[in-house]
Amino acid sequence: TQLLEQSPQFLSIQEGENLTVYCNSSSVFSSLQWYRQEPGEGPVLLVTVVTGGEVKKLKRLTFQFGDARKDSSLHITAAQPGDTGLYLCAGASPFGSNYQLIWGAGTKLIIKP
Amino acid sequence: KAGVTQTPRYLIKTRGQQVTLSCSPISGHRSVSWYQQTPGQGLQFLFEYFSETQRNKGNFPGRFSGRQFSNSRSEMNVSTLELGDSALYLCASSVWTGGRNNEQFFGPGTRLTVL
Repeated sequence: TQLLEQSPQFLSIQEGENLTVYCNSSSVFSSLQWYRQEPGEGPVLLVTVVTGGEVKKLKRLTFQFGDARKDSSLHITAAQPGDTGLYLCAGASPFGSNYQLIWGAGTKLIIKP
Repeated sequence: KAGVTQTPRYLIKTRGQQVTLSCSPISGHRSVSWYQQTPGQGLQFLFEYFSETQRNKGNFPGRFSGRQFSNSRSEMNVSTLELGDSALYLCASSVWTGGRNNEQFFGPGTRLTVL
């Protein structure tokens, strides 16, 4: 059974601090997606990383896919209250002739003003 | 373009009852997936439909079922409700199915409470 483990499960920090959340697996994924879910809403895609070692930046958010495509990290610089939410990672794994998404349990992030 | 809509948004049922949840995908999207979300468990995959055919199914009991109509709208049904079925049920649509870069667009979910 393929698993994606996210850590930490919960993080509460002050505005302006930096943070990193992790998404780890013993399995190789063809790509990895990061979603953010705000209260009362469904998850929204932030980024998809495809190549081992790939780094993508989205304003203050930096996403990295591990060289072996088994892990990923999300780094937020100078966190703001608007970054509060549940961050979910999902890895694409071969399924027949296509792919299926394997989901992590999420990191709940709270940024205090 | 309208997003994914789910109805109802909130539902309260008692044990033993059954429930039907509805999902209307984004226009032009042919794939609809359903997830159960509970605190600490993340998203648990229920099933995916593409062009009215179930393409994939998660590890849920047979009490959970779904279907997709010719207009891509989807419904899921849970029979003989149990307390543990209380959760947020999310529907997600995408243009195609099975691509490794497939972006899923989620609805706001239906919050089901079983008493």
